[in-house]
Amino acid sequence: DTGVSQDPRHKITKRGQNVTFRCDPISEHNRLYWYRQTLGQGPEFLTYFQNEAQLEKSRLLSDRFSAERPKGSFSTLEIQRTEQGDSAMYLCASSSGPVVGEQFFGPGTRLTVL
Amino acid sequence: AQRVTQPEKLLSVFKGAPVELKCNYSYSGSPELFWYVQYSRQRLQLLLRHISRESIKGFTADLNKGETSFHLKKPFAQEEDSAMYYCALMMDSSYKLIFGSGTRLLVRP
Repeated sequence: DTGVSQDPRHKITKRGQNVTFRCDPISEHNRLYWYRQTLGQGPEFLTYFQNEAQLEKSRLLSDRFSAERPKGSFSTLEIQRTEQGDSAMYLCASSSGPVVGEQFFGPGTRLTVL
Repeated sequence: AQRVTQPEKLLSVFKGAPVELKCNYSYSGSPELFWYVQYSRQRLQLLLRHISRESIKGFTADLNKGETSFHLKKPFAQEEDSAMYYCALMMDSSYKLIFGSGTRLLVRP
């Protein structure tokens, strides 16, 4: 296990298209998080799962965004009808007790919407 | 609303000089504070958390609830400390992290 992985690493799409990103967490981790990071800013929380349950969603997450973690393992983040403002780095992280607050981050997926 | 503020976007020091990266937070509950670091071409990773009260790579940070601050300090900076540093807050009701905008530390030879 080499840590959290994300696919693809880069995605270029045209405005209006749908995109889907995948995250594979560290295998024994039960919590999985999605963050978005734009240039010059820190990561911004989008949503998180405990096992397959989506426990919290940011108010920033519009109806065009949906995330799933169907079997409590990998997760997908889908953005429908992409807009130029969706261009960002999308980061996935996972965690499991006992060190509260230690989240292990993936390399991110960089999305560019033309 | 909960917020983390890192007032400096860039901090440039010479090797061997002391370093202090500032972090202030806004939260009325009992926060847990963390420093995350991202070295060039590496992933974001945890550096230290206030509850453990430990020194990591020579860095320490003390939570000051009166001043709502959690500044990161190191007495003698090394070139390998050059990186992006993010202060983060975890509220007592959630596992999500609220990050500041980050400070780039540049340690010059």
